[in-house]
Amino acid sequence: AQSVSQHNHHVILSEAASLELGCNYSYGGTVNLFWYVQYPGQHLQLLLKYFSGDPLVKGIKGFEAEFIKSKFSFNLRKPSVQWSDTAEYFCAVTSGYSSASKIIFGSGTRLSIRP
Amino acid sequence: EPEVTQTPSHQVTQMGQEVILRCVPISNHLYFYWYRQILGQKVEFLVSFYNNEISEKSEIFDDQFSVERPDGSNFTLKIRSTKLEDSAMYFCASSENGQETQYFGPGTRLLVL
Repeated sequence: AQSVSQHNHHVILSEAASLELGCNYSYGGTVNLFWYVQYPGQHLQLLLKYFSGDPLVKGIKGFEAEFIKSKFSFNLRKPSVQWSDTAEYFCAVTSGYSSASKIIFGSGTRLSIRP
Repeated sequence: EPEVTQTPSHQVTQMGQEVILRCVPISNHLYFYWYRQILGQKVEFLVSFYNNEISEKSEIFDDQFSVERPDGSNFTLKIRSTKLEDSAMYFCASSENGQETQYFGPGTRLLVL
């Protein structure tokens, strides 16, 4: 069965620090990979996605993620975080084969940024 | 930018009562989904819906649950005889086709007392 693991439950950083949130998935076939963000009191929003092509994908607000197929990983990075990045971040995967693909979410990483 | 909308934003109900959660997907989208997030847990898939029928459902989506697209715009989740453990945030999502990005609504927070 597909699953997604996020290594960090809660990350606390100071403004301007660099960020890397880990994500590993288990699935043997073709996958589509996502990072969603949920700001306090708001709904899930797409940060970035990988379907195919360049494994380094850039998303909104300066975020990027790298798909490393050999490691089954899709880590999220940002070189310099801001206080407004405080949110919960969810890594997610869908099967690249089936239609109406359900999203399998990781457990989420809560990011707190100290001003 | 088009958005998925959900009503109500909050719903409190007594155990054993029926609730209907409503969603208006993005207008040109053809695939619809329900997910839930119990407090402190991960977001879980419930059901996907395409061409007026269920495409896939999880083991959570038992006979207590049903979905319907009663008209051209609404997509509803009905929970019959609610239980305490149904308390969660319920998210609706839609996508243009089954392989594209799913766009999420703001959620309905359901509390069963």
